[in-house]
Amino acid sequence: SQTIHQWPATLVQPVGSPLSLECTVEGTSNPNLYWYRQAAGRGLQLLFYSIGIDQISSEVPQNLSASRPQDRQFILSSKKLLLSDSGFYLCAWSHGGGSDTQYFGPGTRLTVL
Amino acid sequence: SQQGEEDPQALSIQEGENATMNCSYKTSINNLQWYRQNSGRGLVHLILIRSNEREKHSGRLRVTLDTSKKSSSLLITASRAADTASYFCATENAGGTSYGKLTFGQGTILTVHP
Repeated sequence: SQTIHQWPATLVQPVGSPLSLECTVEGTSNPNLYWYRQAAGRGLQLLFYSIGIDQISSEVPQNLSASRPQDRQFILSSKKLLLSDSGFYLCAWSHGGGSDTQYFGPGTRLTVL
Repeated sequence: SQQGEEDPQALSIQEGENATMNCSYKTSINNLQWYRQNSGRGLVHLILIRSNEREKHSGRLRVTLDTSKKSSSLLITASRAADTASYFCATENAGGTSYGKLTFGQGTILTVHP
C-alpha cells in the first residue's frame, strides 16, 4: 500500500531563517506531487506541483521554492522566511495522468516568529 | 478567487440528524471531489464524482452534481460525533492539461453533538 510522510510535524523558525520541509511517498512510482499551504480556518492554496523529476511548476509567486531530487521525494524550501509564510503545509500525491484522487500527508505546522 | 465555495461555513447538528453541505464553482470541470479534515490533520478523500455523473453514494455519504448549475452537495446521513470535521470540495478544471491540479473551497466546519 502507498504511504506519504512529511517532516517535521511542527516547526518554529525566526524571520529570515531558511526552511526545508520534506515529503516522501512510498509504494508507488512516478506520482504527481503537490505542495499546499493552508492558512488558519481556510481552504488550501496550491503552491507547487510536479509531474516528474525536475519538472516543477509554481502556481503562485512567493518566497518559497520546490525541488524533486528523486521520484518520490518533494522538498519545499525558502532562503529567508517571512512572517506571512506561517501556516499549515500539506504535501499530496496522485497517480500520474490526472483526474484522480489526491492522497495527503499529515502536514507540517510552521510558525514564523 | 476560489473555484469552489462551500455553504454553509459552519453547521451544528445533533447526532442522528442528516448534514448537507453545498459547493458552487465557476468553470467547467473534469471532476469534483470532497475531502474531510480533522483538526490539525491532513485531508482524507471521501468521494469523487465525474462531470458526466449526477449522483454517487459511499456508505452514509451521498454526493450530487449539477453541472448546469455548477453546484454539488454532500449529504451525510445519520451523523455521528466522529463526523465532526471540516469538509472541503475541490474541483479539477476541464480543458488543457490539468495534471490533476485541484482548486479547493474554504470548507464547511461540521460539528455533531452527542
